Amino acid sequence: EPEVTQTPSHQVTQMGQEVILRCVPISNHLYFYWYRQILGQKVEFLVSFYNNEISEKSEIFDDQFSVERPDGSNFTLKIRSTKLEDSAMYFCASHLNYGYTFGSGTRLTVV
Amino acid sequence: KNEVEQSPQNLTAQEGEFITINCSYSVGISALHWLQQHPGGGIVSLFMLSSGKKKHGRLIATINIQEKHSSLHITASHPRDSAVYICAVNTGNQFYFGTGTSLTVIP
Repeated sequence: EPEVTQTPSHQVTQMGQEVILRCVPISNHLYFYWYRQILGQKVEFLVSFYNNEISEKSEIFDDQFSVERPDGSNFTLKIRSTKLEDSAMYFCASHLNYGYTFGSGTRLTVV
Repeated sequence: KNEVEQSPQNLTAQEGEFITINCSYSVGISALHWLQQHPGGGIVSLFMLSSGKKKHGRLIATINIQEKHSSLHITASHPRDSAVYICAVNTGNQFYFGTGTSLTVIP
């Protein structure tokens, strides 16, 4: 069964550093998403991406965040200058028509 | 303010029991999702529905658009069903997630 692949599975970074979280969505999917889940809290929507541009974003997705689909397969989330409160599990998802497929997540720890 | 409310928050059941998890939402939606999150953190999409009822194996999801309510049923529950079940709604512009229902099925 096709999978959404996320790398790395765990990233530790120093506060203020830039991080790039990578996702390879399912190849024929057209819609891509990033979500995050702070430990012990509910999942939160960050951004949706369609046709090579952001279609929707939440209040969390401020100027520190950006997304790209640089090569038609990877879908990346960049955090420019990480803060302690960015520590969370970040999930990528993709979908075409029915159902969503989620990646297994990247646990980001900002120290 | 929570756009999505789930109940119960925690649920313990004996193997074989019929389980119901409820979800109410307060916004207009284009679709509602039921997700399963395993202890390791991975998320699996179970259902996406905008009306009526869907069934997949022992899982059944229903939605009542007028009442803004959805239920997830698990028939003949099994210990491997133990997970957090999350209701999420898509408003077309945003996604909102419930806080999840933690289900433990005891053998």
